Amino acid sequence: GAVVSQHPSRVICKSGTSVKIECRSLDFQATTMFWYRQFPKKSLMLMATSNEGSKATYEQGVEKDKFLINHASLTLSTLTVTSAHPEDSSFYICSASRAGSTDTQYFGPGTRLTVL
Amino acid sequence: KQEVTQIPAALSVPEGENLVLNCSFTDSAIYNLQWFRQDPGKGLTSLLLIQSSQREQTSGRLNASLDKSSGRSTLYIAASQPGDSATYLCAVRGRNAGNMLTFGGGTRLMVKP
Repeated sequence: GAVVSQHPSRVICKSGTSVKIECRSLDFQATTMFWYRQFPKKSLMLMATSNEGSKATYEQGVEKDKFLINHASLTLSTLTVTSAHPEDSSFYICSASRAGSTDTQYFGPGTRLTVL
Repeated sequence: KQEVTQIPAALSVPEGENLVLNCSFTDSAIYNLQWFRQDPGKGLTSLLLIQSSQREQTSGRLNASLDKSSGRSTLYIAASQPGDSATYLCAVRGRNAGNMLTFGGGTRLMVKP
C-alpha cells in the first residue's frame, strides 16, 4: 500500500510553454503533498507544501506565479510550470502523506522536465 | 534552520566490502530520520526509518543507527553487492517543521564486481 504515481514520467517542451505534472496517491488519501526539485547529482530541495483544499506554502526563493500548485482533492496534486525556460529543466518529485504531522511521506517516481 | 550533511559525497568499493555512510544534522529536535535509496533518474525508495526514541533499525544487510544528541546517523551496508550501487540520501523530519523533510546531499555509491 501507499503508492504514489506521477505523470508524465518525462516531458520535453519548448521555451515559453506551460507544463503540468500530476501527483496521485493511488491507495490512500493524502491530506498533504510535497513538491521537490532535484538538480543533477544534487539532493532534493523542497519547493512547496500543499494541503488539500487550501493554498500551497512555498519555500523561500520559489516563485509562486512560476510554479502553480493545486491540491484540489485528497488523491491529486498538480504542479504547473508556467512559461517554462531552460533553467527550469530538472527532476521534479512529489510525495504524499496521510493525516497527522508525524506520518511518513511516500514518494512518487519523479518527472524529468527538459525545456528546449 | 536544519542542515543535513552527508559524508562522503561519493564512494567506490569492491564487491563484498562492508561500508559505512555518514549523515549529520544540526538541530537535534527531530521526530525521525530516514534513509533512502535513489537509482539514476528514478524516485526514492525508503530503506530504514528511525524514530527519535530509537537507537537503530535493521533490514537485511542494512543497519542504521541514530545518535540524536550528537546529531549523527550512520548507514552500515554489509557484504556490499554491485546491485547496491545507487545514491543514498538521509532525511530528517524536524519537530518544529511539521511534516517537512530536510535532505542531505547524498552519497553516490559504486560497488565494483
